[in-house]
Amino acid sequence: EPEVTQTPSHQVTQMGQEVILRCVPISNHLYFYWYRQILGQKVEFLVSFYNNEISEKSEIFDDQFSVERPDGSNFTLKIRSTKLEDSAMYFCASSGQSSYNEQFFGPGTRLTVL
Amino acid sequence: QQQVKQSPQSLIVQKGGISIINCAYENTAFDYFPWYQQFPGKGPALLIAIRPDVSEKKEGRFTISFNKSAKQFSLHIMDSQPGDSATYFCAAYGGATNKLIFGTGTLLAVQP
Repeated sequence: EPEVTQTPSHQVTQMGQEVILRCVPISNHLYFYWYRQILGQKVEFLVSFYNNEISEKSEIFDDQFSVERPDGSNFTLKIRSTKLEDSAMYFCASSGQSSYNEQFFGPGTRLTVL
Repeated sequence: QQQVKQSPQSLIVQKGGISIINCAYENTAFDYFPWYQQFPGKGPALLIAIRPDVSEKKEGRFTISFNKSAKQFSLHIMDSQPGDSATYFCAAYGGATNKLIFGTGTLLAVQP
């Protein structure tokens, strides 16, 4: 069964450093998302991406964040200058031909900012 | 208006019992309501979903009940099993947005 994959599974970084979280969505999907989950809290939407551009972003997704689909398979989230409060689990998701299709989530990347 | 309220925060059920988790929303433009199951260290996985044109949807031991007028929906897990122990999130989708709005989650523990 096709699945969303994410690397790395755990990333530890120093405050102020740049990190890139990587995702490989399901191959025929057209809609891509990043969500985050601070430990013990709910899953929060960060950004959605369709047709090579951001279609929606939350207030959390400020100028420190960017997304890119550098090739036909990868979808990345970059945090330019990490803060302590960026420590969270980051989930990539994708959905198929319609944004109303089920969103399939990856296993997540745990980001720890020291 | 974009919030989804979920209760209870945690739930302990005996094996074989019924687990019930409730959610409420405000935005009447929402038109897709999925439930996600999340095990520790894993991503959320879709369990069951409903659209507001039906009042109930059943898949195996899992049933969603939907009350459009009250803007509420609930997940019922019949014959709860220890393997059902996980965190359950309701979510809503629709209107002018293409993002999932998640509830705060319910930690379910099914005791053997």
